[in-house]
Amino acid sequence: QVQLQESGPGLVKPSETLSLTCAVSGDSIYSSNWWSWVRQPAGKGLEWIGEIYQSGSPYYNPSLKSRVTISVEKSKNQFSLKLNSTTAADTAVYYCVRRVGAGPPRGVFDMWSQGTMVTVSS
Amino acid sequence: EIEMTQSPATLSVSPGERATLSCRASQSVANSLAWYQQRPGQPPRLLIFGASTRAPGIPARFSGGGSGTEFTLTISSLQSEDFALYFCHQYNNWPPLHTFGQGTKLQIK
Repeated sequence: QVQLQESGPGLVKPSETLSLTCAVSGDSIYSSNWWSWVRQPAGKGLEWIGEIYQSGSPYYNPSLKSRVTISVEKSKNQFSLKLNSTTAADTAVYYCVRRVGAGPPRGVFDMWSQGTMVTVSS
Repeated sequence: EIEMTQSPATLSVSPGERATLSCRASQSVANSLAWYQQRPGQPPRLLIFGASTRAPGIPARFSGGGSGTEFTLTISSLQSEDFALYFCHQYNNWPPLHTFGQGTKLQIK
């Protein structure tokens, strides 16, 4: 059974860096799937942040590209998110998500973490 | 960026009745369209992929249709657990640039 569990601070000060890690179990980071981050401000819709395939070059949402880094931690079967220069607008529930890379349902987000609330406030 | 627009924002339907939710893309996404259900306090759950294929374990009362720029999600005979938030998602871009609709809240009438 595939599970994704994120970890990281729930409170970040404005202008500082938001850092989250997602531990994957039941699948390998080096499988044929993509590993993504999606966020959701309270009461609002979903925003794709970016994703990475194995240890290749990540892809980012252009609206966040200048502030985001997604990377794979090879030896720990986990991947991470760093978002710098944070503001209150970055306050949201952050999900780590598997996106299917091969076979049906190729292309979609099929496994989601429970989500972690991150608040940007002094 | 492909913009996804869902309508209506809120839909009030009685249990046992049919609900039809719409999603429109600002340009063609072929059939690279998925639907997700989100219950309060829960992550989204994949319902439909490829515009019309139910994900494993999804009841037959959920059906998807459309292609190109116009899509629908139909839930026949609404059950209490179906009242939730629904999002559409297009995954037709390369390089990847995923976009979601703003959501339709399905509530009990």
